[in-house]
Amino acid sequence: AQSVTQLDSHVSVSEGTPVLLRCNYSSSYSPSLFWYVQHPNKGLQLLLKYTSAATLVKGINGFEAEFKKSETSFHLTKPSAHMSDAAEYFCVVSSASGGSYIPTFGRGTSLIVHP
Amino acid sequence: ETGVTQTPRHLVMGMTNKKSLKCEQHLGHNAMYWYKQSAKKPLELMFVYNFKEQTENNSVPSRFSPECPNSSHLFLHLHTLQPEDSALYLCASSHLGTSGASYEQYFGPGTRLTVT
Repeated sequence: AQSVTQLDSHVSVSEGTPVLLRCNYSSSYSPSLFWYVQHPNKGLQLLLKYTSAATLVKGINGFEAEFKKSETSFHLTKPSAHMSDAAEYFCVVSSASGGSYIPTFGRGTSLIVHP
Repeated sequence: ETGVTQTPRHLVMGMTNKKSLKCEQHLGHNAMYWYKQSAKKPLELMFVYNFKEQTENNSVPSRFSPECPNSSHLFLHLHTLQPEDSALYLCASSHLGTSGASYEQYFGPGTRLTVT
């Protein structure tokens, strides 16, 4: 079985300050992990992915995430928030659970950026 | 055209209507998905097709009927819907590994459905 928990439903930051969106996962198999972003009334866009290579993964728009197996975490960070980063962010886990690789989505974290 | 496209982008229908949502992917993927996204609720996986075969059906009511004629096209046929079915319906595609591979999904922009 696999699951993912996004620890915050909302995160509020000021423009220019660091962003931290937290994600913990559970998986019986070696997981692949993803972060997606969704802007209002749009589809989801891949930010970055971890698939058992380097544990520190760099994505688009200055985001990065670190896979920590001991903590079963995959937190998303960005050094300096921009107004355009305001969106919904989803953490996703995918593994061989049940014989297929159907991804499991977190409930999402809404990032609010104040001027 | 590249990526995943969905039509229509917006749809308003009465509870007695029949309509269809269309999804098309131009990425050469073998798996396609339907998701329902309602306000204040997590993303709900509805159906998964792998090489045109349905592999997942997450207890979706029969008023939603999927069709996958080939690996590039996916439809969602709608009939006698309820107001609570109003939501954003998202289509996605990916490679789907069966032996040690997980791949990212590519999403369409969604169809905003309103049932009156």
